[in-house]
Amino acid sequence: EIVLTQSPDFQSVTPKEKVTITCRASQSIGSSLHWYQQKKDQSPKLLIKYASQSLSGVPSRFSGSGSGTDFTLTINSLEAEDAATYYCHQSTSLPFTFGPGTKVDIK
Amino acid sequence: QLQLQESGPGLVKPSETLSLTCTVSGGSISRSSYYWAWIRQPPGKGLEWIGTISYSGSTYYDPSLNSRLAISVDTSKDQFSLTLSSVTAADTAVYYCASGGYEYIDSWGQGALVTVSS
Repeated sequence: EIVLTQSPDFQSVTPKEKVTITCRASQSIGSSLHWYQQKKDQSPKLLIKYASQSLSGVPSRFSGSGSGTDFTLTINSLEAEDAATYYCHQSTSLPFTFGPGTKVDIK
Repeated sequence: QLQLQESGPGLVKPSETLSLTCTVSGGSISRSSYYWAWIRQPPGKGLEWIGTISYSGSTYYDPSLNSRLAISVDTSKDQFSLTLSSVTAADTAVYYCASGGYEYIDSWGQGALVTVSS
């Protein structure tokens, strides 16, 4: 089973600040890494697929990068509505797994 | 835009079987290239992938649940279902039905809390 670790676990950020969340895989997963945002009491929402592919309807301040074992989700100029937990998810091999999540709080 | 809605009992007794159904609207469950998944989230914890079924009925399960798990599709009703047998308190979670490509999920249901307790 591929294990995903995320850092940091928690981040308290001021609006307009830049946020960087990293996801590391226990073995190479190519670009089969996806990012989700889950706001409090809501279902998750897909933000980025295949490490760096943006999606229609997702604000352009969200971007992803990386390949192999190390990946990054960047939120440029954080807005108050971005308060949420962010999860990475690998789909290279079964069982598909999620990272433990990074909670982003707004100061 | 696909919409998914979970339904089923919110309380299941230990050792019994958990059964949930997901009703799909806004599109056919038979559409090619789409996959249908179940993901769960224990209270206050992270997301756990349970399993996925293709439009043609091919299934992909978490090996740790494989002996207790079954996912099926009913194309006549645009529904897919989850059954998990011999449940314990560790199976208490919000269960999401979801859809997307084989590798990623781009539509989620609102989630259904299932509590395992006597």
